[in-house]
Amino acid sequence: EIVLTQSPGTLSLSPGERATLSCRASQSVRSIYFAWYQQKRGQDPRLLIYGTSSRATGIPDRFSGSGSGTDFTLTISRLEPEDFAVYYCQQYGNTPPTFGQGTKVELK
Amino acid sequence: EVQLVESGGGLVQPGGSLRLSCAASGFTFNNCNMNWVRQAPGKGLEWVSFISGPSDIIYYADSVKGRFTISRDNGKNALYLQMNSLRDEDTAVYHCVKAHSGGWYLLDSWGQGTLVTVSS
Repeated sequence: EIVLTQSPGTLSLSPGERATLSCRASQSVRSIYFAWYQQKRGQDPRLLIYGTSSRATGIPDRFSGSGSGTDFTLTISRLEPEDFAVYYCQQYGNTPPTFGQGTKVELK
Repeated sequence: EVQLVESGGGLVQPGGSLRLSCAASGFTFNNCNMNWVRQAPGKGLEWVSFISGPSDIIYYADSVKGRFTISRDNGKNALYLQMNSLRDEDTAVYHCVKAHSGGWYLLDSWGQGTLVTVSS
């Protein structure tokens, strides 16, 4: 199975700052099968980005995804108060689909 | 609006069984692939199982293969997960999740989950 490793484990930032989250895969992932999810405390996960760079319905354009092969990035251009949450990467092209362990974006 | 409502969780002893249900509404259920995803307390996300719309394609995580059975009733807009031989490590919130059209395992609508606690 493809192992996804996210870094950093925790990102401490202030509103208005830029957040850059990384995810590295143990083997190459086709770009069309890479996604990011957001999970706020006490809530269900929400699909943010799919196909590496396509935003899901209703996701603001401050969220962007990029990458290819084994290295993928989620960027939040200017953090809003509601963006402080845990973010998971996922590959969904192979069975089993796998998730990273999560990056927590916390208020500095 | 898509709604997914899970039920059937609870406290069960190791070796026991539970059947989870998910009631779906707000979309054409029989056309949609579905998944179960779990999250242990304070931990990350783990995919558990997939079933296609017509139930002709089914997959399981290795950790549950041979113990869990996924099924669906398209006439009732319902998804199920029969869990047997439960272990401590199966303790988690189990989410019923609708797949996006862009991929079997691309998870675009989540239920709130039902908590399964395996403990003696």
